[in-house]
Amino acid sequence: SQQGEEDPQALSIQEGENATMNCSYKTSINNLQWYRQNSGRGLVHLILIRSNEREKHSGRLRVTLDTSKKSSSLLITASRAADTASYFCAPYNSGGGADGLTFGKGTHLIIQP
Amino acid sequence: EAQVTQNPRYLITVTGKKLTVTCSQNMNHEYMSWYRQDPGLGLRQIYYSMNVEVTDKGDVPEGYKVSRKEKRNFPLILESPSPNQTSLYFCASVSLPGPTQYFGPGTRLTVL
Repeated sequence: SQQGEEDPQALSIQEGENATMNCSYKTSINNLQWYRQNSGRGLVHLILIRSNEREKHSGRLRVTLDTSKKSSSLLITASRAADTASYFCAPYNSGGGADGLTFGKGTHLIIQP
Repeated sequence: EAQVTQNPRYLITVTGKKLTVTCSQNMNHEYMSWYRQDPGLGLRQIYYSMNVEVTDKGDVPEGYKVSRKEKRNFPLILESPSPNQTSLYFCASVSLPGPTQYFGPGTRLTVL
């Protein structure tokens, strides 16, 4: 099944700085989603970007998608302590059945006060 | 309020004692899924269900069973739990097309 691979595995920055994490995947997709997981809790859907979109914004989140490179990035601007969490990407191909509804190991983001 | 509920939230049990973790959603989704999460291994899909009476194996189905007799419920059954099934378990309900996954709060299982 197709999984996204998030990079880096862990990231620690100061509060107020921007955080960027990346996702790579292997096959063509219909869309790609990003999820956040606070420690020990269920994942929460953040944003979806379609394959024909290059960039999407939601509040302090900015997602880019480069289908030629099979990669996506998630930028969190002006980070806050509450952004400390793990972030997962989920590339989705509708022809893949359950494929694309699985997750990689995520990027663990720590915001230092 | 749209939600996915899981019970119990925490469970400590012993090897071989059958247990069931319940999962229920109120969003009328057809697709539901179970995951386990272990340190360093990320989220791994155990089983999923595309609709009532339709279930299929995910990446790590060994030692687990599921059933889908009605749309809202998707219980995970461990008939003979073993210590390597100690993990954090999540149920998810999936909105299609999308897909957008809605996760339950998790069940932390310890098998002694």
